[in-house]
Amino acid sequence: KAGVTQTPRYLIKTRGQQVTLSCSPISGHRSVSWYQQTPGQGLQFLFEYFSETQRNKGNFPGRFSGRQFSNSRSEMNVSTLELGDSALYLCASSRDRSTDTQYFGPGTRLTVL
Amino acid sequence: GENVEQHPSTLSVQEGDSAVIKCTYSDSASNYFPWYKQELGKGPQLIIDIRSNVGEKKDQRIAVTLNKTAKHFSLHITETQPEDSAVYFCAASRDRNTGFQKLVFGTGTRLLVSP
Repeated sequence: KAGVTQTPRYLIKTRGQQVTLSCSPISGHRSVSWYQQTPGQGLQFLFEYFSETQRNKGNFPGRFSGRQFSNSRSEMNVSTLELGDSALYLCASSRDRSTDTQYFGPGTRLTVL
Repeated sequence: GENVEQHPSTLSVQEGDSAVIKCTYSDSASNYFPWYKQELGKGPQLIIDIRSNVGEKKDQRIAVTLNKTAKHFSLHITETQPEDSAVYFCAASRDRNTGFQKLVFGTGTRLLVSP
């Protein structure tokens, strides 16, 4: 069974631009969560999607948003990029909301110049 | 808010030695505790997890123990091998029956196993 896939793997943007990252969960998984990983702040929860609805959100500004499609694939968007948004963005999928086990993808490395 | 403390931040051992990483959580409602291994350039990989109705769980060379009273849980790796070298993260989350999927992570432990 294929794991969680994320595209693109690497991205370079400049301040003020916006970016969209994509995540395809493990087949049969319906919940997708997003995390930001930085050397300074570690791994921080961004948001969780289930059945095309955002179910939970972390402490990030409104510039960070996401959505989930009917096939459970998810995208996250960051608008008006800032230098501090440079990070590894990780997507994790789990079978459903009652299942805790989350499986992570390889991440998208975003660099903001 | 929720917080997970993890120690040590770095750990160097000789091949064949044991390694122990400890975590403390603050949210008493937490009852699911996974451990992840992250290698360079990769996403975190689940290696073992434990739920609050279990005090200890073992999978070959890896074991996890949980003390809910003290809000402590630990990862034990025996007979370490160079391929165990990576960053290890502990995490905690609340009651899965509420569907609350947020993982709160520790700050990570860089484990180096020397041949």
